[in-house]
Amino acid sequence: DAKTTQPPSMDCAEGRAANLPCNHSTISGNEYVYWYRQIHSQGPQYIIHGLKNNETNEMASLIITEDRKSSTLILPHATLRDTAVYYCIVRVNFGNEKLTFGTGTRLTIIP
Amino acid sequence: DAGVTQSPTHLIKTRGQQVTLRCSPKSGHDTVSWYQQALGQGPQFIFQYYEEEERQRGNFPDRFSGHQFPNYSSELNVNALLLGDSALYLCASSFRQGARTGELFFGEGSRLTVL
Repeated sequence: DAKTTQPPSMDCAEGRAANLPCNHSTISGNEYVYWYRQIHSQGPQYIIHGLKNNETNEMASLIITEDRKSSTLILPHATLRDTAVYYCIVRVNFGNEKLTFGTGTRLTIIP
Repeated sequence: DAGVTQSPTHLIKTRGQQVTLRCSPKSGHDTVSWYQQALGQGPQFIFQYYEEEERQRGNFPDRFSGHQFPNYSSELNVNALLLGDSALYLCASSFRQGARTGELFFGEGSRLTVL
């Protein structure tokens, strides 16, 4: 699985958009970009994933660059409950349940 | 609809003992994976079970073993416990359509402390 690079921590004001970057310059053509988050003392929670097109769901938007070497997770209106560690993961999703977690980005939402 | 459930939530063991952790997958899921999360670190993949067989394994010693039952539930066994085995053990379930893997849903974990 390709490695990812994320900033260790970020702050965002409540109500503003939180933009979390991720670099995955060695991603392969068949690898998807996944985002999970982990709120303190809970199990990781799936947020969104994509291959090469931008994706949006009720939680977030995922923007993947055209060369697929980086992506940005956008939480459009951050709330205090979005304070968590966010993990960017790349993986093949055929017959593969292995997620390689890095150290993630600790996002703190400021009131 | 119950999500992924794990038991026990907390337990304390001493070095050299053995432990069994249990996981019930989300309804409709057929695949179970186990992860170890040390304090301050991201989860590390231990292994994955599908159709009652271990299909993938991470870089963990043979002291770590598992089982999947016909109802898709799973157990993680750790023998000869070491202090370094103290961690949060996470179970994740998913559903395979053919070879395609669905999203992984995680339980809240079992926190193991080895003294």
